[in-house]
Amino acid sequence: KNEVEQSPQNLTAQEGEFITINCSYSVGISALHWLQQHPGGGIVSLFMLSSGKKKHGRLIATINIQEKHSSLHITASHPRDSAVYICAVRDSNYQLIWGAGTKLIIKP
Amino acid sequence: DAGITQSPRHKVTETGTPVTLRCHQTENHRYMYWYRQDPGHGLRLIHYSYGVKDTDKGEVSDGYSVSRSKTEDFLLTLESATSSQTSVYFCAISEYGTGAYNEQFFGPGTRLTVL
Repeated sequence: KNEVEQSPQNLTAQEGEFITINCSYSVGISALHWLQQHPGGGIVSLFMLSSGKKKHGRLIATINIQEKHSSLHITASHPRDSAVYICAVRDSNYQLIWGAGTKLIIKP
Repeated sequence: DAGITQSPRHKVTETGTPVTLRCHQTENHRYMYWYRQDPGHGLRLIHYSYGVKDTDKGEVSDGYSVSRSKTEDFLLTLESATSSQTSVYFCAISEYGTGAYNEQFFGPGTRLTVL
């Protein structure tokens, strides 16, 4: 069983919809990262968090340490949000463990 | 964008040939990493470096070697490429190593096909 599980694996939605991508993990963590990989391949960091919630523009990331779960939300989704969203956790030994990613397609 | 480049961006080679991928950074970050990305898997760490001439293995290091003779360059070598090494390879850098809030910055990736 993977230590970091993302759901769904694939998500297709219409422009304007509210999007939720989930990340569950089974290890103790010191931080959780959300990253975005565009169709061209580039990977960029979106959020790093260890508690609560962070917001950047239309993106919101939340984490529940007790439930070992994080969500990434996109409000008013747009076709340019189409990408693979990757969750990664830093465990108690500070090693990064990566999820397999969620492929999001937003249709106009 | 962090100043990270990878070369080549695409390469097709034959089984048994040596291949070297280069990662170059202009950020003067101490830590550099090589990952591979395959369908259905998360990024998997191959090797990393914590300074010039200081390297260590990741979870999938078999069949790969690395070298770092300068802060800005981190080379990944496949001594004798195999079809199982067909993948997309990403280089990453970070200012700090294993701190909780350590952020990594990624290069554009190299798509390697081994026939």
